[in-house]
Amino acid sequence: EIVLTQSPATLSLSPGERAALSCGASQSVSGTYLAWYQQKPGLAPRLLIYDASSRATGIPDRFSGSGSGTDFTLTINRLEPEDFAVYYCQQYGTSPWTFGQGTKVEIK
Amino acid sequence: EVQLVESGGGLVQPGGSLRLSCAASGFTFSSYLMNWVRQAPGKGLEWVANIKQDGSEKYCVESVKGRFTISRDNAKNSLYLQMNSLRAEDTAVYYCARDPLSGGRRNYFDYWGQGTLVTVSS
Repeated sequence: EIVLTQSPATLSLSPGERAALSCGASQSVSGTYLAWYQQKPGLAPRLLIYDASSRATGIPDRFSGSGSGTDFTLTINRLEPEDFAVYYCQQYGTSPWTFGQGTKVEIK
Repeated sequence: EVQLVESGGGLVQPGGSLRLSCAASGFTFSSYLMNWVRQAPGKGLEWVANIKQDGSEKYCVESVKGRFTISRDNAKNSLYLQMNSLRAEDTAVYYCARDPLSGGRRNYFDYWGQGTLVTVSS
């Protein structure tokens, strides 16, 4: 199975700053089939990005995704207070579909 | 509005069984592949199983093979997960999640339920 490793584990930033979250895959993710989700405490995950760079419906354009092969990045420009949460990447190019362990974006 | 509402979680002893349900509304349930995804307390997400629109194909992660069975009833707009031979490591919040492609499959998840907690402990 493809193992996804997210870094850093925790990112401490202030509102208005830019966040760059990394997701590395143990083998190439076919078709750039990579998604990003946001999860807040006690809530279900919310889809942000699919196909590595396509924003899901209703997601603000300060969220962007990039990458291919084994290296992917989620960038959040101008962090808003509601963006402080845990972010997960997920690959869906090779079964079983797997997730990274998450990056927590916390307020500095 | 798409809604997914899970139920059926609770406390069960190791080796016991539990059946989870997910009631879907706000979309044509029979047109979408459906999934179960779980999250152990304080941990990350793990895809558990999925089932094709007509129920003809089912897939699951290796760790639950032979113990968990996914099923659906399109007439009742419901998804199920029968969990047998439960282990402590199955303790998690179980989410029902929809595949985004009507009539096909993309294998990511665009709508999630609120989850139901399963605790396996003596």
